[in-house]
Amino acid sequence: GQQVMQIPQYQHVQEGEDFTTYCNSSTTLSNIQWYKQRPGGHPVFLIQLVKSGEVKKQKRLTFQFGEAKKNSSLHITATQTTDVGTYFCAGSRYGQNFVFGPGTRLSVLP
Amino acid sequence: GAGVSQSPRYKVAKRGQDVALRCDPISGHVSLFWYQQALGQGPEFLTYFQNEAQLDKSGLPSDRFFAERPEGSVSTLKIQRTQQEDSAVYLCASRTLRGFDNEQFFGPGTRLTVL
Repeated sequence: GQQVMQIPQYQHVQEGEDFTTYCNSSTTLSNIQWYKQRPGGHPVFLIQLVKSGEVKKQKRLTFQFGEAKKNSSLHITATQTTDVGTYFCAGSRYGQNFVFGPGTRLSVLP
Repeated sequence: GAGVSQSPRYKVAKRGQDVALRCDPISGHVSLFWYQQALGQGPEFLTYFQNEAQLDKSGLPSDRFFAERPEGSVSTLKIQRTQQEDSAVYLCASRTLRGFDNEQFFGPGTRLTVL
């Protein structure tokens, strides 16, 4: 079945440093979503990518969808303590159901 | 309502007991999903409804798990004869059905602990 992997599993950064998490799917995706889950909270939607090679920006966050639509990345510039949480990618083959990756847990040291 | 709500927020069950978890989606949201999230893991898909129709239940781990959404709004996930491995947070999510606008709105989850 479809598998979604993420690396790294954990990332500790100093406030102000950049952070990147990578997502890889075993199958070609129709679209990919990114979610953030704060400690003790529930996943909150960040963005959806649909097109091959697509790049989207949200303030300090940059999201990319690979040309082959099998991988994606999330890059945060100049991290802040409010960025703490676990970032999940979720891929869909047909646009309906999504398979979540295991997440990357980000810690930001002030 | 302002968002997806779930009840109870916490449930402790003795092994072998049956439990029922409730999800109230955002009003008007056609699609409803159930996920199981073990500690330190990503949400794992359990089942999906479009209105009252259960279109995909491939993620349900065993026939002890059953979900329904009889009127296309509130949904209930029932687990019969609970086992310790059922301990997890059960998340419900809903979304509209507008082409590729696929944002899922998650509820706060029900944390199930089976002793």
